[in-house]
Amino acid sequence: DVKVTQSSRYLVKRTGEKVFLECVQDMDHENMFWYRQDPGLGLRLIYFSYDVKMKEKGDIPEGYSVSREKKERFSLILESASTNQTSMYLCASSFHREGTEAFFGQGTRLTVV
Amino acid sequence: GDSVTQMEGPVTLSEEAFLTINCTYTATGYPSLFWYVQYPGEGLQLLLKATKADDKGSNKGFEATYRKETTSFHLEKGSVQVSDSAVYFCALRFKAAGNKLTFGGGTRVLVKP
Repeated sequence: DVKVTQSSRYLVKRTGEKVFLECVQDMDHENMFWYRQDPGLGLRLIYFSYDVKMKEKGDIPEGYSVSREKKERFSLILESASTNQTSMYLCASSFHREGTEAFFGQGTRLTVV
Repeated sequence: GDSVTQMEGPVTLSEEAFLTINCTYTATGYPSLFWYVQYPGEGLQLLLKATKADDKGSNKGFEATYRKETTSFHLEKGSVQVSDSAVYFCALRFKAAGNKLTFGGGTRVLVKP
């Protein structure tokens, strides 16, 4: 079974903290993605990566950065957490080949207080 | 840019009723199309997909046909069960757009016994 594992299901952080969300996949996928999910707004792409050390901005990259040092791991970093970053964060991975689906992790519900 | 529009919910149905969720897309090329489902408290999982015009994806009694002429990928199920209560997301993906998944806003479906 394909597995995409996010390091935490629930996180509570304080405003101004640096926050790391980790994601690991075990299928040798080239692509990895970070989305945030908010009620009424669906899923919005924050960043994605198509190879080690490569990254591209998605639709809402402001306030976030990412790191991909190894193929299986993709980290989302909130440099200075703010309350408007309270959300559900979803990691996904896929092959680069056209027509293939993405596999999602269970999500991390982050609350910034 | 590429976009996906799906009908807003919530959709409330009785068990054994017919379900349709409309999805239309805008894209400059010919994307692959997906339906994902999110059960309460879980991440997204692939429900079905279609990679070219006139393809029909099917799974768990759900079906959707890729209609290039109407740029649509409507999801249908003939007889829903309480266990089909979930949020359904339509999505598109193609290589020319960097292989990222673009999602619709999601449709919440509630099936009552």
